[in-house]
Amino acid sequence: DTGVSQNPRHKITKRGQNVTFRCDPISEHNRLYWYRQTLGQGPEFLTYFQNEAQLEKSRLLSDRFSAERPKGSFSTLEIQRTEQGDSAMYLCATEDNEQFFGPGTRLTVL
Amino acid sequence: SQQGEEDPQALSIQEGENATMNCSYKTSINNLQWYRQNSGRGLVHLILIRSNEREKHSGRLRVTLDTSKKSSSLLITASRAADTASYFCATDAGSNSGYALNFGKGTSLLVTP
Repeated sequence: DTGVSQNPRHKITKRGQNVTFRCDPISEHNRLYWYRQTLGQGPEFLTYFQNEAQLEKSRLLSDRFSAERPKGSFSTLEIQRTEQGDSAMYLCATEDNEQFFGPGTRLTVL
Repeated sequence: SQQGEEDPQALSIQEGENATMNCSYKTSINNLQWYRQNSGRGLVHLILIRSNEREKHSGRLRVTLDTSKKSSSLLITASRAADTASYFCATDAGSNSGYALNFGKGTSLLVTP
């Protein structure tokens, strides 16, 4: 257990539905990252927060994706109008020299 | 796009043998890190090597870094069945990119008793 928690651990949804994931970081870590990992691949960077400010977004983060980190604490990642290609493991990480990863949320879009 | 490429993609060895995995990357880096991921579980940080370091040890792990060749290797000595996992190298370019990690596709290691 790295101290980073993610909820839910699994999410199955139908295409076109909206989903929201939550990440609770290690409290003293200012930087928070979201990654996406598909089967057989390494994680790919999606977006990054320094406290409450979203400082960088990958080109992978389409308009259907939005992330927030109100008050610089927990973070949410929302996917609107889900597509089957969104099926993946969504990982959150927080940083203190090294990045500590949460267990991930596995999304399956039917 | 993935920054790193691990080699080999898959490796099968017997307990007690050493396992060597290689990683190549494309652009200048600040740090290089190795992570382990057990099937269906989160990533566990193994070791970090800075761009000005050439070798680092942690327990049964030995990591080397050659910035002139843009490559790194991870050696696991005296492997155990519990070492069975996927191993990823990840690089970051420093503060300009917020220390976001670029991962390779990983090496799948199987250690048989």
